[in-house]
Amino acid sequence: EVQVLESGGGLVQPGGSLRLSCAASGFTYSIYAMSWVRQAPGKGLEWVSGIIGSGGSTYYADSVKGRFTISRDNSKKMLYLQMNSLRADDTAVYYCAKLSAIVVVPGGKMDVWGKGTTVTVSS
Amino acid sequence: DIQMTQSPSSLSASVGDRVTIPCRASQSISNFLNWYQQKPGKAPKLLIYAASSLQSGVPSRFSGSGSGTDFTLTISSLQPEDFATYYCQQSSSTPWTFGQGTKVEIK
Repeated sequence: EVQVLESGGGLVQPGGSLRLSCAASGFTYSIYAMSWVRQAPGKGLEWVSGIIGSGGSTYYADSVKGRFTISRDNSKKMLYLQMNSLRADDTAVYYCAKLSAIVVVPGGKMDVWGKGTTVTVSS
Repeated sequence: DIQMTQSPSSLSASVGDRVTIPCRASQSISNFLNWYQQKPGKAPKLLIYAASSLQSGVPSRFSGSGSGTDFTLTISSLQPEDFATYYCQQSSSTPWTFGQGTKVEIK
């Protein structure tokens, strides 16, 4: 079965750091781009970041550029999101999603999603 | 950045109704438009990609249309399990952007 499973969420103080992980299984991980999407409490979906299959190109939302870093380890079938300088408005459920192609744009679609991991930024 | 607009933010409908959900892009995105369904407490699910292609396993009562800036998701006969929030998302260029969502509620 094709699956992705997030971990690493938790409570962190403003200005702190957190690293999210996403474990992939059931598919040839290295040939698919991956993405992170978040959803603040009671709000809509916000795309956060994407990375191509090789890891050679990365993409970010303006709201996280310079603070978050997406990376992947194809040998371990893992996706990561390093989040620094966290703010209260980063509080959200963070979803890992598999894309259906090796590239992100144009035309990428997120066809497999994890259940999400919750990040709370609060003092 | 490309802005995606969904209006209304919610609509009420009955089982068996035909429902249409519009989505507008702030600039032309060709057919690089996806639709997702999300139920409370659950992850989103891909329904339609490339504006009109049905994702594998999705019931045929769901369909999508449009190109350029104006798109529509149609549910031909609303079923009890279709009450959910629907999001459009452009994948023409990064940053990817979602519409604010349309919640389909029971009338």
